[in-house]
Amino acid sequence: GAVVSQHPSWVICKSGTSVKIECRSLDFQATTMFWYRQFPKQSLMLMATSNEGSKATYEQGVEKDKFLINHASLTLSTLTVTSAHPEDSSFYICSARVSGGYNEQFFGPGTRLTVL
Amino acid sequence: QKEVEQDPGPLSVPEGAIVSLNCTYSNSAFQYFMWYRQYSRKGPELLMYTYSSGNKEDGRFTAQVDKSSKYISLFIRDSQPSDSATYLCAMSKGSNYKLTFGKGTLLTVNP
Repeated sequence: GAVVSQHPSWVICKSGTSVKIECRSLDFQATTMFWYRQFPKQSLMLMATSNEGSKATYEQGVEKDKFLINHASLTLSTLTVTSAHPEDSSFYICSARVSGGYNEQFFGPGTRLTVL
Repeated sequence: QKEVEQDPGPLSVPEGAIVSLNCTYSNSAFQYFMWYRQYSRKGPELLMYTYSSGNKEDGRFTAQVDKSSKYISLFIRDSQPSDSATYLCAMSKGSNYKLTFGKGTLLTVNP
């Protein structure tokens, strides 16, 4: 149980284009999902907290107009990187917290974004 | 001072060794403590979850929390080459709070 999927697993795009990443909780409902970014040999950096049916809460320094988050259902959250630039190239990972549970977060497999 | 400190290693041990991984933290408000394992180019996998102080055992893994010292540990017994990964500690203030992660310790278990 507690499986989280992400799609796509990797994507290459041209500078200036937008990329959408999906995060799904497959066997449980997740009121809250989280989006992280991880650079090589670095730890996870929380970008935003996504709550179903409401606006996401962004961490300091993360541009909300650049990283659009939508959490339309209890099993799906999306992150759209708008007008991507090479410095946005990174490993993006989502996690989901079980509704009504403790504070365990279950992570997706990650999406590697490369912006040319 | 960072909220969570974790030695990044790398740590290299022979197969069968007992591995000790540790994190220290500065915020006494942390109550929930987790250990994640992350293989290269994969998402983190939850290994252990503990609330407040004490020990928790699951197979070859034992997690310890000492809130008085603000120190948490993960022990791996009879380590296997498949345990080679980066181990991340994480903690939060409450059930609805975000996680704060350590930098991760890279472990290699040599056959």
